[in-house]
Parts: sequence; structure tokens; C-alpha cells
Amino acid sequence: DTAVSQTPKYLVTQMGNDKSIKCEQNLGHDTMYWYKQDSKKFLKIMFSYNNKELIINETVPNRFSPKSPDKAHLNLHINSLELGDSAVYFCASSLRLGRTDTQYFGPGTRLTVL
Amino acid sequence: ILNVEQSPQSLHVQEGDSTNFTCSFPSSNFYALHWYRWETAKSPEALFVMTLNGDEKKKGRISATLNTKEGYSYLYIKGSQPEDSATYLCAFGQGGKLIFGQGTELSVKP
Repeated sequence: DTAVSQTPKYLVTQMGNDKSIKCEQNLGHDTMYWYKQDSKKFLKIMFSYNNKELIINETVPNRFSPKSPDKAHLNLHINSLELGDSAVYFCASSLRLGRTDTQYFGPGTRLTVL
Repeated sequence: ILNVEQSPQSLHVQEGDSTNFTCSFPSSNFYALHWYRWETAKSPEALFVMTLNGDEKKKGRISATLNTKEGYSYLYIKGSQPEDSATYLCAFGQGGKLIFGQGTELSVKP
């Protein structure tokens, strides 16, 4: 059983389109995250949710809107896609919102905007 | 701006060699330092969480040490094997989030 799963794995789309990436965790964790792997391969935090509540929003453009329907899901919706949005997006979860809590990562979604 | 730096960026060793690499982080307001192993086309996988100055953790042939006063952690791999080839990430825990370094890419040749 996959602990943190993301769909789709690959997403190719045109500039200006709206797309969503879904994330689900079956670990019973309270906290979920979205990271973006930038061009230099750094993993950078975008959002975190704790018990469905937005906790961290790291100056991400308004075009990015996370939605957490329940503790096990955190989806990422992106409006008006731009070329610069092309990246690999990783979802993660942790038991609690804490600096010492291990984060478990999904397999990543490679988004390509043409 | 909080910087987490790792060195070297890449490392090529022969099977059987022992190796180590460094993670540097701000020494003030320290809470936790995480190490992850990231194989190509897979997800980052947690190795260690370290919280106390002088901590040493071990998992098989991989071990890590922590110096919070001077702001660095070392990751050691004893007797490297080809299956150890991966990118090793460290991350500084701050305010409910992790600040990642850029990773050290390790390649172990048979």
C-alpha cells in the first residue's frame, strides 16, 4: 500500500490552462504539505495544512490554491498555468505539525507547461 | 534568509570506499536536523531526525553526527555499495516546515 500517493504522475498542458494535482495519504497523519522542486533541484515548501487548516503559505502566487477536503487529502489547483510553473511537485505528510516530525513524501508529479 | 548548505554537490566513489558529506545550517534557534535519501525516480525517504547537540544516529552502514553549536552535521557511509547511489538531502526544521539543502549526489561505481 502506498503511504502517500499523487495523481497524475505526469501532466503536460498548455499555457493558460487550469489543472489539479491530487494527493492522498493513508498514514493517519494530521499534517500535509506541497513542495516544488525548482530548477536547481531544491525542494521548497509551498503550503502546509494541519487538520484541514492552512498553516503555511510561502508567498506562492494566488494562481495556486490548495484544498483539503479532509485530513487524508490535499489537492493543488493551479489556474492560468505559466511556463515557469513547469517543475516537479511533491506532496508530503507528517504525524503532526512539528519541526521534529518526519515527513513522508509522495512520488512527485512532473508538470510540463508548453 | 535561512540557508542550508551541503557539500560536496556530487561525489563519485568506488564500491567499498567509505565516504562522508556535510550539511551546514544556522546554529541559532536550532530545533531539528533531518537527513533524507532520494533515489532517482523515487520519493525522498527519511533516514534520521536529530535534535540534540552531539547526537549520533546509525542505520546499517549509514551514520550521522550533529553539532548544533557550530551548525553542521556529517553523514557517513561505510563501505559504499552501488545501491547507496542517491542524492542525500539534509533539512533544517523551522516553524513547522523543513528548509532543504540542495543535496549531495553520490554515485558508487562497482
